[in-house]
Amino acid sequence: EIVLTQSPGTLSLSPGERATLSCRASQSISSSYLAWYQQKPGQAPRLLIYGASNRATGIPDRFSGSGSGTDFTLSISRLEPEDLAVYYCQQYGSSSPTFGQGTKVEIK
Amino acid sequence: QVQLVQSGAEMKKPGASVKVSCKASGYTFTSYFMHWVRQAPGQGLEWMGIINPSGGSTNYAQKFQGRVTMTRDTSTSTVYMELSSLRSEDTAVYYCARREISGYMYYWGQGTLVTVSS
Repeated sequence: EIVLTQSPGTLSLSPGERATLSCRASQSISSSYLAWYQQKPGQAPRLLIYGASNRATGIPDRFSGSGSGTDFTLSISRLEPEDLAVYYCQQYGSSSPTFGQGTKVEIK
Repeated sequence: QVQLVQSGAEMKKPGASVKVSCKASGYTFTSYFMHWVRQAPGQGLEWMGIINPSGGSTNYAQKFQGRVTMTRDTSTSTVYMELSSLRSEDTAVYYCARREISGYMYYWGQGTLVTVSS
C-alpha cells in the first residue's frame, strides 16, 4: 500500500497570501496518478487537481498542482476566505487508492 | 447531469450489518466503476473498495476483506455497500464516488452517516 504523508497538518494564513501544501508518497506514483481534493465542513470532497497538475473543470486558476515521483505540491496563489477547508491528496495509480491524512487551511 | 444519491442515515447496534445504497443518474451506469470511501468523525478519507457495475467484479481494501460486500442492480442503476459485524469504530460518513476513466474521483454522493452504538 502506498502511504501518503501530508504536511503541514494545519496552515494558518491571511487572505491574499500564498499557501503551499505538500504530499509525499512512500513509493513512486506511476504516471503522476495523484489528485488533490478540497473538503469544506459538512460537504463531500471536491476534486481540484488530477494527474498531479491538471485543474478540474471549474476550478479557479489560483489552484495549481506540481510534482512527480514521490513529491507533490498543491499551491493556492491568493488565499480567499472561501478556501477554508481540509485538503487531501490521493494516489490512484495502484489497485488500492490511498489518501493522505489531510492539511487544514485556516484563514486568519 | 450526473448525480449520485445515497440512502439516508442509519443507526445500528454493534454486531449488526448495514447496507447503504447509491443511485446513479445522468450517465450510462455500466460504463464507470464506483468507489466507496468512508470518513470517521473528525478524521480523514479512507478507501473501502470498488465495484464494476458492468460485470459486478469487486476489489476491496484489505482492511475490510470479509466484512464488506459491494453489489449492484443494473435495472435501477444502484450500487450497494454492505458492512457486517459493525463496531463503534465503523461510525462514519460513507460516500460513493464515481471512478473517472483516468482513475480519479470526480462525482461524489452526498454521504450517508452510519452510527454504531449500543
